[in-house]
Amino acid sequence: DADVTQTPRNRITKTGKRIMLECSQTKGHDRMYWYRQDPGLGLRLIYYSFDVKDINKGEISDGYSVSRQAQAKFSLSLESAIPNQTALYFCATSGGRGTDTQYFGPGTRLTVL
Amino acid sequence: AQSVTQLGSHVSVSEGALVLLRCNYSSSVPPYLFWYVQYPNQGLQLLLKYTSAATLVKGINGFEAEFKKSETSFHLTKPSAHMSDAAEYFCAVRGVQAGTALIFGKGTTLSVSS
Repeated sequence: DADVTQTPRNRITKTGKRIMLECSQTKGHDRMYWYRQDPGLGLRLIYYSFDVKDINKGEISDGYSVSRQAQAKFSLSLESAIPNQTALYFCATSGGRGTDTQYFGPGTRLTVL
Repeated sequence: AQSVTQLGSHVSVSEGALVLLRCNYSSSVPPYLFWYVQYPNQGLQLLLKYTSAATLVKGINGFEAEFKKSETSFHLTKPSAHMSDAAEYFCAVRGVQAGTALIFGKGTTLSVSS
């Protein structure tokens, strides 16, 4: 079984709709992250969490919110989706040291019409 | 502040040829550097990482990278390309302002022809 899972894997939605992307991990890590990937732009950090009670905004948090329901679960919400939020979204986890590897989920491809 | 620049958004090589993917970084502190690979329709997989031990780092699938502080570079190489190496490659530096989140370059797509 995969260590980091994301649901759904693909989603098409309409402008103005609320949508939630979910991430679960079995690595036992405290730190979890949400990134967004756009062609030619690489990955950019949306939100990150050090533990259930510690959630922080990343580089591009506007239009997004998150919830850390448990150590193993970290959800990303788009309260009112807009077309420029069409992208590939990745969840990742890591340990607490700077040298620790980040492990990525398979991604969620979101299309906002 | 940290940043990463990947030179060349697309690199094409023939099977058996040398692979060289370039990465330059900027960091206000000694950097931790990573190379990730993304195969089509998959997530990112770690190829190798530099954590201030040896400057020549060996990774999976025959890849290696050399940390050169004087050149602020961390280029990825493989002596002989294989068709299965075709993918997108990302260089990243560990940030300091966002905890341990990574700051990524824009990626380089590697194409391998027979």
